[in-house]
Amino acid sequence: QSVLTQPPSASGTPGQRVTISCSGSSSNIGSNSVYWYQQLPGTAPKLLIYRNDQRPSGVPDRFSGSKSGTSASLAISGLRSEDEADYYCAGWDGSLSSVVFGGGTKLTVL
Amino acid sequence: EVQLVESGGGLVQPGGSLRLSCAASGFSLSSYWIHWVRQAPGKGLVWVSRINSDESRTTYADSVKGRFTISRDNAKNTVYLRMNSLRAEDTAVYYCARVGGTGNFGFDYWGQGTLVTVSS
Repeated sequence: QSVLTQPPSASGTPGQRVTISCSGSSSNIGSNSVYWYQQLPGTAPKLLIYRNDQRPSGVPDRFSGSKSGTSASLAISGLRSEDEADYYCAGWDGSLSSVVFGGGTKLTVL
Repeated sequence: EVQLVESGGGLVQPGGSLRLSCAASGFSLSSYWIHWVRQAPGKGLVWVSRINSDESRTTYADSVKGRFTISRDNAKNTVYLRMNSLRAEDTAVYYCARVGGTGNFGFDYWGQGTLVTVSS
């Protein structure tokens, strides 16, 4: 059972916009920044979003992050086949004194 | 080119020990926090431990506290994870990751991972 809750799966067709949610609590998302990672099959994770809504250089602007209260979302617009991957939210939990990850969402591009 | 390369994984019996290494190239490890994150086969990411730039601060997940020790040798540009009293549930790919200028938990570079299998 992960501290941050994500839907196990999501899907969309090429060109569509999809969102992935991440639900937490006051001790993690509610008081700290949210990060998003993309993990393509058989590879190490890659940082997509930091500090809730910031994109590292090289990450397309099709990817965007937002946070409200104790929840966060990752939006992917103009969906492409290469976006098929697992997506994880993460952040610091002050009560646990630990970095926490969501359980991951497997995105399928139909 | 910035790179992190893990090594030291392998098959170990329950109760045994291993030391993982995370060697950096293309940058000076001494300026960065380094974290270890693991992923059991077919499962999600789980944070394990972190160490600050001068080794004065270390933090562990409850599941490994008292069994794992993180350390670093900045002269060798390497971070280590000593794992003792290993259990079957420690079986996973272990990644090391760097915290760049992307927030306190924005891991901007990751290694390729090293597989640890705990089994008799």
